[in-house]
Amino acid sequence: GAVVSQHPSWVICKSGTSVKIECRSLDFQATTMFWYRQFPKQSLMLMATSNEGSKATYEQGVEKDKFLINHASLTLSTLTVTSAHPEDSSFYICSARDFTSQTGGWGYTFGSGTRLTVV
Amino acid sequence: QKEVEQNSGPLSVPEGAIASLNCTYSDRVSQSFFWYRQYSGKSPELIMSIYSNGDKEDGRFTAQLNKASQYVSLLIRDSQPSDSATYLCAVNIRGKLIFGQGTELSVKP
Repeated sequence: GAVVSQHPSWVICKSGTSVKIECRSLDFQATTMFWYRQFPKQSLMLMATSNEGSKATYEQGVEKDKFLINHASLTLSTLTVTSAHPEDSSFYICSARDFTSQTGGWGYTFGSGTRLTVV
Repeated sequence: QKEVEQNSGPLSVPEGAIASLNCTYSDRVSQSFFWYRQYSGKSPELIMSIYSNGDKEDGRFTAQLNKASQYVSLLIRDSQPSDSATYLCAVNIRGKLIFGQGTELSVKP
């Protein structure tokens, strides 16, 4: 089955620094990936849609200059949290979309998530 | 109106009972629907997907879809304590997977 690898699984950084999170599709090509953020006791909130070779599409209220997304290849998307602050501390999860012949529709495979703590 | 809505719970059922989880969605053109289970601190894991009206069964799990009512549900038969988790309903809305707020399920031994 489809596998998505996300690294790092956890990171602690100082306020004001930047952090990069990687999301790789290991056994399929993903032209579209998604980035979600999840705060404690809340659901997954879609931040942006990452499209290979083009600019990411951000959801309303998400600062594109703060959350930089790069999708330079069909298997790798990165999310960089720039000038991180304590309020950016959250669980970040990526997802890659692929067409599943079994169901004849889109399938969404999730990475294992990255726990970001900004101190 | 939220795009995907679930009862937040918590829902508590005794071991062996049937747990019923409900979800409604706002976009009438949505065609694919998913149920995920999430344990604390972990990424969601897919339980089932459903695309057509009616029931879809997989082991102890049954997903039900009614597009006319914009309603999707998940039944868990013979609930086990290991089923205790947060259950997330997700809907493909214009190519993006949008999640409901999740229902916390607790199965008591």
